[in-house]
Amino acid sequence: ELKVEQNPLFLSMQEGKNYTIYCNYSTTSDRLYWYRQDPGKSLESLFVLLSNGAVKQEGRLMASLDTKARLSTLHITAAVHDLSATYFCAVDRTVTDKLIFGTGTRLQVFP
Amino acid sequence: DTGVSQDPRHKITKRGQNVTFRCDPISEHNRLYWYRQTLGQGPEFLTYFQNEAQLEKSRLLSDRFSAERPKGSFSTLEIQRTEQGDSAMYLCASSWGFNSGRAQGGNIQYFGAGTRLSVL
Repeated sequence: ELKVEQNPLFLSMQEGKNYTIYCNYSTTSDRLYWYRQDPGKSLESLFVLLSNGAVKQEGRLMASLDTKARLSTLHITAAVHDLSATYFCAVDRTVTDKLIFGTGTRLQVFP
Repeated sequence: DTGVSQDPRHKITKRGQNVTFRCDPISEHNRLYWYRQTLGQGPEFLTYFQNEAQLEKSRLLSDRFSAERPKGSFSTLEIQRTEQGDSAMYLCASSWGFNSGRAQGGNIQYFGAGTRLSVL
């Protein structure tokens, strides 16, 4: 059974600092996704990573994928308050497109 | 903006009552998904459709739950004889589907705002 784990579950960080969120998954997967969710809102797609070594960047967020280690990271550079949200990674497989989500990392950025 | 829309946004019901939620996907998308999210957890897959065909159902989807997508456009999710454990956010998502040939790098699913169900 495909399982996805994230850590940390909660992250409180100061503006301007850097940090990394980790996402491990248990078996071979075809695609890795990162989503953002603001309180009471729906999920917003951030990145999709398709192959080993894939790296994508958008603003202060950079996501990478290591399929051999079954690990994806979401790196935050010089955090700002607007990045405060819950971040989910999710995986799926071609045979079925359902997403298996991690438990999420709740990020709080304070001044 | 013609994103995924869900109705109602909030539903409060008494235990034992039936409830029905509606999802209107992005019009060009042929796949439609239902997920359930409880507080502090990631969404859990319930079921999905390719056009009007229901292709997979999770074991989470007990026989009290039924989903339809009669014309391959909007979908409904009905919960019969609701229980307090059904209280959650019910999310709908839509996509092209990876094998459609129209997905741009992966099967990105676009989510609606959800229907929050509270069973008293």
